[in-house]
Amino acid sequence: GAVVSQHPSWVICKSGTSVKIECRSLDFQATTMFWYRQFPKQSLMLMATSNEGSKATYEQGVEKDKFLINHASLTLSTLTVTSAHPEDSSFYICSSGGGGSEETQYFGPGTRLLVL
Amino acid sequence: AQKVTQAQTEISVVEKEDVTLDCVYETRDTTYYLFWYKQPPSGELVFLIRRNSFDEQNEISGRYSWNFQKSTSSFNFTITASQVVDSAVYFCALRDTGGFKTIFGAGTRLFVKA
Repeated sequence: GAVVSQHPSWVICKSGTSVKIECRSLDFQATTMFWYRQFPKQSLMLMATSNEGSKATYEQGVEKDKFLINHASLTLSTLTVTSAHPEDSSFYICSSGGGGSEETQYFGPGTRLLVL
Repeated sequence: AQKVTQAQTEISVVEKEDVTLDCVYETRDTTYYLFWYKQPPSGELVFLIRRNSFDEQNEISGRYSWNFQKSTSSFNFTITASQVVDSAVYFCALRDTGGFKTIFGAGTRLFVKA
């Protein structure tokens, strides 16, 4: 079946550095991908909707300049956390949309980010 | 606006007990999907069920069963004869049929003790 992968699964970085997280749809084309953030013991909160070939749509309260999203191809969306700070430490999950079955949405395994 | 409420933050049961996780949702859409996901400590979401808004039939899958009541906007999840491996966080979620935008509830953390 369809699979969404994320890379890396774990990342530790120093405060002030930028971190890029990749989300790939492995055997289908995803015109839309979603990025979620999950803080410890909390729910998944939608950060942004990534559309292939166009600008991402950000949810209220999410800084566009801090969380850069690029969806340059139908199989790859990237989230770059710029100038990361400890408060950005979280579990980032991407999911597909618009590909495969109309009713099916696939979630990636997530990326744990720890900013020291 | 869409909203999913899981009022139970944590539930602790002893193995073999039955447990029901509650989910209440709000939406103005007439057509939508409801989901339950399991999130074990590894973090990866495990899909459990999807239910269309026009299908109110209850569903049973092994020890899992779901009760969808459109009249009360609820989609409750029951685990029969719980097992230690059922320990996880369970999320109820709501999605519109157009844009795949999924809204998650706060989650219920289930502890099953041996």
